Amino acid sequence: DVKVTQSSRYLVKRTGEKVFLECVQDMDHENMFWYRQDPGLGLRLIYFSYDVKMKEKGDIPEGYSVSREKKERFSLILESASTNQTSMYLCASSFRGGQFYEQYFGPGTRLTVT
Amino acid sequence: DAKTTQPPSMDCAEGRAANLPCNHSTISGNEYVYWYRQIHSQGPQYIIHGLKNNETNEMASLIITEDRKSSTLILPHATLRDTAVYYCIVRPRMGSARQLTFGSGTQLTVLP
Repeated sequence: DVKVTQSSRYLVKRTGEKVFLECVQDMDHENMFWYRQDPGLGLRLIYFSYDVKMKEKGDIPEGYSVSREKKERFSLILESASTNQTSMYLCASSFRGGQFYEQYFGPGTRLTVT
Repeated sequence: DAKTTQPPSMDCAEGRAANLPCNHSTISGNEYVYWYRQIHSQGPQYIIHGLKNNETNEMASLIITEDRKSSTLILPHATLRDTAVYYCIVRPRMGSARQLTFGSGTQLTVLP
């Protein structure tokens, strides 16, 4: 069964802290994505990676960085958390050669920055 | 990108088939129809996709009209766990637009 896991379901951090969100997939997918989802704004792509050590900025990369050292793991880093980064963070993965939009999502991490 | 139109909400009795419609009258020849759903407070879940032929998998069936201007997602025996927002999106096969974007979707409520 297809599986994408995220390190935490709920996280509370203070303003200015460095935050790491981890995502692991067991499907041998090349593509991995980080989105955030906010009410009224839908899904917005932060970064995606199409291979190990490769990354591309999405629509809202400011304040975030990513790391992909292994194929199955994609980390999202908030360098200095701010209250406007309070959101639901979703990781997804897909095959490169197949259907790009056949993306499999993790359960999400609800991050609150106080 | 082709725009999609879905009813905002639908109810379905448990055990009956749920038929969720989607209009995509401006779909172009290389665009696929994808369906996702999102159960409250969970990540979106991919359901099925198709180009022009009807498709079936373990979760659902997808019926696409011959002119491809509309489609219907069918959950053959809806359960309470199928209560979710269902999103129909239209995209080309490869990631030219780079990201998924969901519209408002249809809130399906399965009633006991």
